[in-house]
Amino acid sequence: GAVVSQHPSRVICKSGTSVKIECRSLDFQATTMFWYRQFPKKSLMLMATSNEGSKATYEQGVEKDKFLINHASLTLSTLTVTSAHPEDSSFYICSALLAGGGSGEQFFGPGTRLTVL
Amino acid sequence: QQQVKQSPQSLIVQKGGISIINCAYENTAFDYFPWYQQFPGKGPALLIAIRPDVSEKKEGRFTISFNKSAKQFSLHIMDSQPGDSATYFCAATLNSGGYQKVTFGTGTKLQVIP
Repeated sequence: GAVVSQHPSRVICKSGTSVKIECRSLDFQATTMFWYRQFPKKSLMLMATSNEGSKATYEQGVEKDKFLINHASLTLSTLTVTSAHPEDSSFYICSALLAGGGSGEQFFGPGTRLTVL
Repeated sequence: QQQVKQSPQSLIVQKGGISIINCAYENTAFDYFPWYQQFPGKGPALLIAIRPDVSEKKEGRFTISFNKSAKQFSLHIMDSQPGDSATYFCAATLNSGGYQKVTFGTGTKLQVIP
């Protein structure tokens, strides 16, 4: 149980285009999902917290207009990288909070590798 | 500000040996300390976790030791195997806005050689 999927697993796009990444909780409902960014050989940096039916909460330094987050249902959150540039190339990972699971019960997706040419 | 410091950055251990990774935290409000294992190109997976009211937790070959007064905790992997080769992240969580916010350590790349 507690499986989180991400789609796509890899995406290559041209500079200036927008890319949407989906995060789904497959066998549980998640009122809260998180989006992280990970640079090579680095730790995960929290970008934003996504709550179902409300606006996402962004961490300091993360551009809201560039990284659009939508949490339309209890099993789906999307991250859209708008007008992507090469510096946006990174590994994006989502996680979902298991409702009632207690402290720190986040389950992570397999990640999406974004490469912007 | 790095709230969770992790060492070493990389570690090479012989098969059958003990792998030890150390972490230290600053914020005494942290109330849960998970360890994650991440293979290349994959998302992190929860390995084992401990609460600050417990000094040690063991699950199979994995043991967390927790020293609340020193604000330090460590992961011990007994009888290390080549399949354990991965990057390990310690983490600390605290309640923020009704949910647990996770702060990750910097990661330790473990290589277990045959």
